[in-house]
Amino acid sequence: GENVEQHPSTLSVQEGDSAVIKCTYSDSASNYFPWYKQELGKRPQLIIDIRSNVGEKKDQRIAVTLNKTAKHFSLHITETQPEDSAVYFCAASASPDSWGKLQFGAGTQVVVTP
Amino acid sequence: GAVVSQHPSWVICKSGTSVKIECRSLDFQATTMFWYRQFPKQSLMLMATSNEGSKATYEQGVEKDKFLINHASLTLSTLTVTSAHPEDSSFYICSAPRGQDSFVGGYTFGSGTRLTVV
Repeated sequence: GENVEQHPSTLSVQEGDSAVIKCTYSDSASNYFPWYKQELGKRPQLIIDIRSNVGEKKDQRIAVTLNKTAKHFSLHITETQPEDSAVYFCAASASPDSWGKLQFGAGTQVVVTP
Repeated sequence: GAVVSQHPSWVICKSGTSVKIECRSLDFQATTMFWYRQFPKQSLMLMATSNEGSKATYEQGVEKDKFLINHASLTLSTLTVTSAHPEDSSFYICSAPRGQDSFVGGYTFGSGTRLTVV
């Protein structure tokens, strides 16, 4: 089955700096790669996603890149703000024909200090 | 749109009792529901996949007799934790694909259930 690895486990950045989180996946059939932000005790919130036919996607301060050959994808947050502090999860879906199960990375605790 | 309502949001039960968690799709038909468990400071671990009208598929290491999943209709999937023990205390959350079109939709999550077994 799919195995998703995520690094780093914790990330401290100064407000205004950039944050980068990296994930690798194992199943070449994976074609959907979402990123979620989760606050304590809450459901994951989708912040951006990318599909395997696209190499990069950007939404304001957030961007995701995908390298299918290397089986890795990354989340980039620019101009970080204190409200960006949360746990971020990457995930991968390995069913090309329908929406299959999502496998999550281990998570990254991001702390943005003013 | 594509809302999944999950109840209860939290529950405290005594060791040995059973607890039922419901996930209901409000404005779409959820033929598939994924059930996750999340321990503190850990990731979401997939427990099982339920499909309407058929038996659930459990991930390796998940006891199917302990975690009973029923998906009796296109809008309701339930997870029953039977004979709960303190080690079952966790955050349980369901998720459903929003649509069949591979390039539209994504996944929608319930709000989660915090289970505490005392």
